Amino acid sequence: DADVTQTPRNRITKTGKRIMLECSQTKGHDRMYWYRQDPGLGLRLIYYSFDVKDINKGEISDGYSVSRQAQAKFSLSLESAIPNQTALYFCATSDLKFGLYEQFFGPGTRLTVL
Amino acid sequence: GQSLEQPSEVTAVEGAIVQINCTYQTSGFYGLSWYQQHDGGAPTFLSYNALDGLEETGRFSSFLSRSDSYGYLLLQELQMKDSASYFCAVREPGTGGFKTIFGAGTRLFVKA
Repeated sequence: DADVTQTPRNRITKTGKRIMLECSQTKGHDRMYWYRQDPGLGLRLIYYSFDVKDINKGEISDGYSVSRQAQAKFSLSLESAIPNQTALYFCATSDLKFGLYEQFFGPGTRLTVL
Repeated sequence: GQSLEQPSEVTAVEGAIVQINCTYQTSGFYGLSWYQQHDGGAPTFLSYNALDGLEETGRFSSFLSRSDSYGYLLLQELQMKDSASYFCAVREPGTGGFKTIFGAGTRLFVKA
């Protein structure tokens, strides 16, 4: 079944470490997104990409960077992790076939920064 | 600035009807979506309204009034499995196209 996958599913790291979260999709969608979720704050957009050559900052891009290696792959990096980046991170996709407004989410990566 | 307001928690009884409201203030507006998220799970799409009025999908309906910057999600014949968090989300202009801004979510508790 076409899907959005994220690796790792859980990660514990220390302050100052570089971390990469990966997202892959087999849906053939052009658009990909990274969100973080904190209790009581909902989902906040970090970065989004409309194709391989297009990267855009979201609401909270500071401290993060992304790479769109291929249509199917979108990675999120924390260059120097800090404790307030502890959160649940979701990757999502959308496509013109679904009017672009429906987003399909991966299972999430729970990141803990000590 | 942009903001979406929705109640933090709602409690209802199995079989009842519940309405979750969402008001928004954004720099632009193209539509309002609703997502459901069960504990430990990923958000899943429920509905989308681009125009004023009511959209019905089974037990769930969603309403939009653009003039009031207001929408709601209506859940009928509540079931225990409807216990989850519900997020409203506004689609607005962004660099290169559209982006989606989510509310903080409403946690729905369904009691027997």
